[in-house]
Amino acid sequence: DAKTTQPTSMDCAEGRAANLPCNHSTISGNEYVYWYRQIHSQGPQYIIHGLKNNETNEMASLIITEDRKSSTLILPHATLRDTAVYYCIVGSNTGKLIFGQGTTLQVKP
Amino acid sequence: DTGVSQDPRHKITKRGQNVTFRCDPISEHNRLYWYRQTLGQGPEFLTYFQNEAQLEKSRLLSDRFSAERPKGSFSTLEIQRTEQGDSAMYLCASSLFGAFNEQFFGPGTRLTVL
Repeated sequence: DAKTTQPTSMDCAEGRAANLPCNHSTISGNEYVYWYRQIHSQGPQYIIHGLKNNETNEMASLIITEDRKSSTLILPHATLRDTAVYYCIVGSNTGKLIFGQGTTLQVKP
Repeated sequence: DTGVSQDPRHKITKRGQNVTFRCDPISEHNRLYWYRQTLGQGPEFLTYFQNEAQLEKSRLLSDRFSAERPKGSFSTLEIQRTEQGDSAMYLCASSLFGAFNEQFFGPGTRLTVL
């Protein structure tokens, strides 16, 4: 499974968009990009995934570069409840997830 | 609530004792995963099942760890002769094979080994 690189921490003002970057330069052609988040003292929660195209759901948008070597998770209007650790994971469409250390996003009022 | 449940939520034990954790996945999910998470780190994969078959085990999983899913429903994770280094949050997740890899996680069991 390809490795990902994320900033350790980021801040975002409440109501503003949070843009979380992820580098995955060794991603292979059949690997997906997944984003999960973990709010303090809870299990991780799936947010979104993509293969090549940009994706949007009710929680977030995922922008994947054309060469697929990096991606950005966008939370369009961050709230205090979005404060969490965000994990970018690259892997197959089944099987284990390999978590890194993620990005701690702090949403501030 | 029909999410993934884990029992117990907290377990304190003395070094050398055996402990067993239980995970009940979402009922229609045929895949079940165990992860371990220590403070400040992301979850690390331990093992997973498809139905009752254990398909993969991490090399991190020493022979003191054993997991079962006897009827393809709930799963147990047993740690024998616990060590202080086993102190961690043990997370269970389930998913539906054939769909994309959206795993639903339980709240975890926090193990403290004294």
